[in-house]
Amino acid sequence: KQEVTQIPAALSVPEGENLVLNCSFTDSAIYNLQWFRQDPGKGLTSLLLIQSSQREQTSGRLNASLDKSSGRSTLYIAASQPGDSATYLCAVSLNAGNNRKLIWGLGTSLAVNP
Amino acid sequence: NAGVTQTPKFRILKIGQSMTLQCTQDMNHNYMYWYRQDPGMGLKLIYYSVGAGITDKGEVPNGYNVSRSTTEDFPLRLELAAPSQTSVYFCASSYSMEPGGNTIYFGEGSWLTVV
Repeated sequence: KQEVTQIPAALSVPEGENLVLNCSFTDSAIYNLQWFRQDPGKGLTSLLLIQSSQREQTSGRLNASLDKSSGRSTLYIAASQPGDSATYLCAVSLNAGNNRKLIWGLGTSLAVNP
Repeated sequence: NAGVTQTPKFRILKIGQSMTLQCTQDMNHNYMYWYRQDPGMGLKLIYYSVGAGITDKGEVPNGYNVSRSTTEDFPLRLELAAPSQTSVYFCASSYSMEPGGNTIYFGEGSWLTVV
């Protein structure tokens, strides 16, 4: 059974620090992996999607990597800002074509302090 | 761009009452989903739809019903509300033929309390 784990559950850092959030999954047979951001009282926003054939994706200060063989993905945030404070979730998709087989982690709650 | 719109944002229900959470998307996505999110439990899929007229159960469908009469709308009905249905509900959509994968777009959530 596929399980997704995110460690740490919470993280507090000073502004400007580079940081890494971790996501691990137990079964390497995934179609893709997505990273999301959730602000308090809001829905989820997709940040990056990495196909199983890809090693990384970048968007601005965010870089996500994927190592299927070890069942790990990392989200790297460069030069963190207070506006980055949110919960970050990862999810793996087990099927092509739709997301009915998305398996979610519980998220890492990030606080970036001015 | 409106994206995925859910209503209501907040609702308090009494045990045994029924209600419908509305969801509409304007991105012409063929796939739509309803999730619930509970503290410490992560997101759980309630129902999903792959197109108008086609729906299927997700991981936690008991106590809920859905319909998909149009591409845009995917309402979630709670029948005989129970305290266990107190949760945050998210509607989402995606496009199956999106190049590079199936980015999923979420509404802002509906907070439901059953008392």
